[in-house]
Amino acid sequence: DAGITQSPRYKITETGRQVTLMCHQTWSHSYMFWYRQDLGHGLRLIYYSAAADITDKGEVPDGYVVSRSKTENFPLTLESATRSQTSVYFCASSGDRDQPQHFGDGTRLSIL
Amino acid sequence: GENVEQHPSTLSVQEGDSAVIKCTYSDSASNYFPWYKQELGKRPQLIIDIRSNVGEKKDQRIAVTLNKTAKHFSLHITETQPEDSAVYFCAASRNFNKFYFGSGTKLNVKP
Repeated sequence: DAGITQSPRYKITETGRQVTLMCHQTWSHSYMFWYRQDLGHGLRLIYYSAAADITDKGEVPDGYVVSRSKTENFPLTLESATRSQTSVYFCASSGDRDQPQHFGDGTRLSIL
Repeated sequence: GENVEQHPSTLSVQEGDSAVIKCTYSDSASNYFPWYKQELGKRPQLIIDIRSNVGEKKDQRIAVTLNKTAKHFSLHITETQPEDSAVYFCAASRNFNKFYFGSGTKLNVKP
């Protein structure tokens, strides 16, 4: 669905660098989510947000920071990247508590 | 927190046969169970979901069943086609906040 976009699609960086992954949705969905996808682990929730200025930790939040100053944007920041954070990152959104999630195309992040 | 286990990790079927993927969950308060299909290099896409007040839901060739007592739910695909080949993920959520995913099942439909 074109309503949720992630950028960049691919990113290579070095350990210790800060990197920010962007997520933008045009549906005015209340809920937004960040997942990482690794082989053998499926999708694991990093952080989620129920509305602007409301965020909460997911299953694997360590090493990540999020913010949500506007409803449509939910950036994910790795403040000091580590090799273990090499992964594919998916952003998702949903309109309300009882609505399914829609995923973005993902960002493939490699940390050397 | 919730723990979702998914089996099998790989499944190979002949075109036209049925495929069944099973998931178990640990949190009895989980009340929403979606299934996603993910093709190689693509985003996960919702194919069917079920809520805890329903025991079964069907959409054409796809069905999901839920057993709340046993805390397990299953995806059933009938008359499989080569385009059904993909990785399938189950998930569980309590009140649509935190979602916990299974580790995925790679389905291969042989023509």
